[in-house]
Amino acid sequence: GDSVTQTEGLVTLTEGLPVMLNCTYQTIYSNPFLFWYVQHLNESPRLLLKSFTDNKRTEHQGFHATLHKSSSSFHLQKSSAQLSDSALYYCALSSSSGSWQLIFGSGTQLTVMP
Amino acid sequence: EAAVTQSPRNKVTVTGGNVTLSCRQTNSHNYMYWYRQDTGHGLRLIHYSYGAGNLQIGDVPDGYKATRTTQEDFFLLLELASPSQTSLYFCASSDPTGGEDTQYFGPGTRLLVL
Repeated sequence: GDSVTQTEGLVTLTEGLPVMLNCTYQTIYSNPFLFWYVQHLNESPRLLLKSFTDNKRTEHQGFHATLHKSSSSFHLQKSSAQLSDSALYYCALSSSSGSWQLIFGSGTQLTVMP
Repeated sequence: EAAVTQSPRNKVTVTGGNVTLSCRQTNSHNYMYWYRQDTGHGLRLIHYSYGAGNLQIGDVPDGYKATRTTQEDFFLLLELASPSQTSLYFCASSDPTGGEDTQYFGPGTRLLVL
């Protein structure tokens, strides 16, 4: 079945350094939708950005990601981390199989230190 | 932005107890979802529905029932609660067939089963 892998459970960075959170996926469907959701402490998850277009950079709130179907990846990046970026980040896959389920990765907890 | 509300926000029950979690969305979304969130497991789909009277089984359905009474209201039922069901529960809604594939999450219900 479909799956999403986020290899880092915890990432700790110093403010100002670049952020890269890894996300790879598996699906048999040729047109997957990929999402990044962010969840700050004591809040609910909310959409950060999404894409279904191969090799096109998607940006929102200083973060960006590019869907690469050749490597089944959708890594999240930011050029300079801020303290307010500390949160739990989920990568998610919708395979457009008709079920409209989201398959979530296990999440990456990002902590940005001063 | 989509509005999803959940009640209660916190619930304590005993093993074997009967619990109903409520979710309401006011944006005419056709899809609604119930997730549980646990450290190390991320967000896991329990049940979902694509309309009133419809119910689809998610990835972790054991011990849970759900009912979609109207387009707005989706309930999660734990008829014999167990300590393993202690978790943070999120409801979400979306309208993928109407072009809104983003899932909007409610504030969550924290359940403790003693």
